[in-house]
Amino acid sequence: NAGVTQTPKFQVLKTGQSMTLQCAQDMNHEYMSWYRQDPGMGLRLIHYSVGAGITDQGEVPNGYNVSRSTTEDFPLRLLSAAPSQTSVYFCASRQTSGRETQYFGPGTRLLVL
Amino acid sequence: DAKTTQPPSMDCAEGRAANLPCNHSTISGNEYVYWYRQIHSQGPQYIIHGLKNNETNEMASLIITEDRKSSTLILPHATLRDTAVYYCIVRAPNFGNEKLTFGTGTRLTIIP
Repeated sequence: NAGVTQTPKFQVLKTGQSMTLQCAQDMNHEYMSWYRQDPGMGLRLIHYSVGAGITDQGEVPNGYNVSRSTTEDFPLRLLSAAPSQTSVYFCASRQTSGRETQYFGPGTRLLVL
Repeated sequence: DAKTTQPPSMDCAEGRAANLPCNHSTISGNEYVYWYRQIHSQGPQYIIHGLKNNETNEMASLIITEDRKSSTLILPHATLRDTAVYYCIVRAPNFGNEKLTFGTGTRLTIIP
């Protein structure tokens, strides 16, 4: 199993550009989440999904969209990038059935100029 | 989810046991204590979790006080690769609510 994979590893955007951060998992996990981490801070939840076709907002959802058309994939879209979205983005997945153990991807470093 | 308090940083000598405390005085009866760590620039990694009994796995031990208001993560023989930020999280299993909150954690530095 590859676990949780994220692409790209690093991206530079100009203010106003849009892009999609990709996340995929091959563990058949129903739950998937997106977090952002800013320097010196903990992780903050952006959006999450409890299964294909179901998504919900986390702590800091503004400026981001998600969709979950398959169990494996959970892309994060930045509609109009802003410098405040400069951050490291982590995708995570976990099983259901009471197991709260989350598996995280390697992260995407995003710089918005 | 209950709030947790951790010291911002700790040092530990290589080969010694690293004891990382966490205070969760407002923990509810159905909330578990989870520990994750994040090695520099990597995604967080699950370590261990428990409800009220002490737990041990290949990575660490978790000691939860009888009143469950605090816990200690123990890395029995710390190595340089254990240098990381350690997060203590308290959460009840809640299908459909994924609002897992990571605080600022404890930055553990293992000293050669």
